[in-house]
Amino acid sequence: SQTIHQWPATLVQPVGSPLSLECTVEGTSNPNLYWYRQAAGRGLQLLFYSVGIGQISSEVPQNLSASRPQDRQFILSSKKLLLSDSGFYLCAWSVQRTITFGTDTQYFGPGTRLTVL
Amino acid sequence: DAKTTQPPSMDCAEGRAANLPCNHSTISGNEYVYWYRQIHSQGPQYIIHGLKNNETNEMASLIITEDRKSSTLILPHATLRDTAVYYCIVLPYGGATNKLIFGTGTLLAVQP
Repeated sequence: SQTIHQWPATLVQPVGSPLSLECTVEGTSNPNLYWYRQAAGRGLQLLFYSVGIGQISSEVPQNLSASRPQDRQFILSSKKLLLSDSGFYLCAWSVQRTITFGTDTQYFGPGTRLTVL
Repeated sequence: DAKTTQPPSMDCAEGRAANLPCNHSTISGNEYVYWYRQIHSQGPQYIIHGLKNNETNEMASLIITEDRKSSTLILPHATLRDTAVYYCIVLPYGGATNKLIFGTGTLLAVQP
């Protein structure tokens, strides 16, 4: 069966410090990968998605970046954190299809709660 | 810009069926109805999805009206662990990515 891991589970960082959050998926190959942010009291915001190694699409321009160095590894980074970067960061995966018919269920990881002080 | 409407909260007695409604009156013919839930401080959990036929899995049943403008998620025997925010979402099939947009959802409180 497939499993998705995220770490760390919680993180407290000062403003201006760098960030690196990691997500890995087990039990599947060539998945679509997603980074979402859920701010307190707000909905889910898609930040990045990736359909393959080195292929990253950004949904929202900001001081965050994403990379996919390996097939089942997705990394969210920042060079300098802002207060507004605080939130619950969620990684998700879905099956990548080669045809356009059919929607793909997304499965989420446990999340990383980031507090920027 | 969620395309669904759900009641903000519901209560259910433990062991009884929980019926969570969702209105999606502007749903298009190529859009699925998805349900997720989120237990406090955890990642969202996929529950079930459907297009136009009723669906059932080990977690729940999904009843979609014939005109597809509304649906009901049924948890047949609610337990305390089912207390969570339940999100109803419509998603088109196909395309490079499916961006999940959660509305405010329904907070289901299962009472002992």
